[in-house]
Amino acid sequence: DAGVTQSPTHLIKTRGQQVTLRCSPISGHKSVSWYQQVLGQGPQFIFQYYEKEERGRGNFPDRFSARQFPNYSSELNVNALLLGDSALYLCASSSWDFSTSIYTDTQYFGPGTRLTVL
Amino acid sequence: AQRVTQPEKLLSVFKGAPVELKCNYSYSGSPELFWYVQYSRQRLQLLLRHISRESIKGFTADLNKGETSFHLKKPFAQEEDSAMYYCALNTGTASKLTFGTGTRLQVTL
Repeated sequence: DAGVTQSPTHLIKTRGQQVTLRCSPISGHKSVSWYQQVLGQGPQFIFQYYEKEERGRGNFPDRFSARQFPNYSSELNVNALLLGDSALYLCASSSWDFSTSIYTDTQYFGPGTRLTVL
Repeated sequence: AQRVTQPEKLLSVFKGAPVELKCNYSYSGSPELFWYVQYSRQRLQLLLRHISRESIKGFTADLNKGETSFHLKKPFAQEEDSAMYYCALNTGTASKLTFGTGTRLQVTL
């Protein structure tokens, strides 16, 4: 297993454009979370999806949206890009099970997508 | 709201010296604490979690609820320990981590 994969690796967009980032979780993992990491800061939680449903949302505007597909892969969409959206976007998957887990499971991170907004 | 504080952006130590990376958290309930590490040109990976109570690569961390701390320690630093270290907190029943700003550990000869 190649681990969590993300595409593309790098992306350059201009203000006002829209972007879609993709993530494929580790085989067997049903939970996918998205994080934004601005330079010099730690990752900040954006969304968690489990079994195609949103299970958690961070403090991000409605310009950010995501979805999860039947094969558990996920897309993160950002509309009306701002300069401040420039960051490394990380995807993490885990075997966390909403129906049985009290504690979180280990999250495995992808290499990230570097988004630059000009 | 929960918060994680890592007061040091950079910690530079000599090889063989003890290491302590500080982490303080703010949360009134029962937290779950983690240390993640990112080596140069590698992805973020879990180093250890407090509920496992294990030692990974010689590193240990004890949760001190009274001081709301989860400091990462190693008695003798090695060159290969040079990396970015993030303390993270989970407070709910979901895979949602709150990260600190990270501490870069630099181990020199």
